[in-house]
Amino acid sequence: EDQVTQSPEALRLQEGESSSLNCSYTVSGLRGLFWYRQDPGKGPEFLFTLYSAGEEKEKERLKATLTKKESFLHITAPKPEDSATYLCAVQASNSGYALNFGKGTSLLVTP
Amino acid sequence: ETGVTQTPRHLVMGMTNKKSLKCEQHLGHNAMYWYKQSAKKPLELMFVYSLEERVENNSVPSRFSPECPNSSHLFLHLHTLQPEDSALYLCASSRETRGLSSYEQYFGPGTRLTVT
Repeated sequence: EDQVTQSPEALRLQEGESSSLNCSYTVSGLRGLFWYRQDPGKGPEFLFTLYSAGEEKEKERLKATLTKKESFLHITAPKPEDSATYLCAVQASNSGYALNFGKGTSLLVTP
Repeated sequence: ETGVTQTPRHLVMGMTNKKSLKCEQHLGHNAMYWYKQSAKKPLELMFVYSLEERVENNSVPSRFSPECPNSSHLFLHLHTLQPEDSALYLCASSRETRGLSSYEQYFGPGTRLTVT
């Protein structure tokens, strides 16, 4: 059975304190791995798609990486406006249209 | 602005009411999705429409009835709901993949539904 596990569940950082969020996955064949950001009361906002191990993508203070078993979302020198829930989702080769989401990591960045 | 809009943003309904949620996408996509997001749970896929044809229905109770009149609009008709149906209902759209390629889905802001 396909599984997506995100850790930690919650993370509190000081402004400027870099860290990483983890997304571990088990799928029969990975078609794509997606990272989203979700603010309270809003829909998820697309950040990155990764397709194969070794791939990396960057956007401002965020960098996503992918291995055969997990993905990391690295946050460099975070700011308070980076506070949000970060969601990871995988699409398996045999899953049709479905995205399998993790429960998310709730990030709080304090000044 | 994600290009996917949903109305209403908030809805309170009794268990005997009938209501509809509306979604519209302005991204030129051909696949549309309904998800349910409950507290402390991952997003759950409910329905998928590709080129206006329903292609996935993930064991959703019949009190939820989707409708896709064209590739830009998606509805979720609600009737005789239960309190446990209270959740954030999210609409999303993507490029059409025929379930083969992998494209990101773009989400709307959601409808916060409370069933009393």
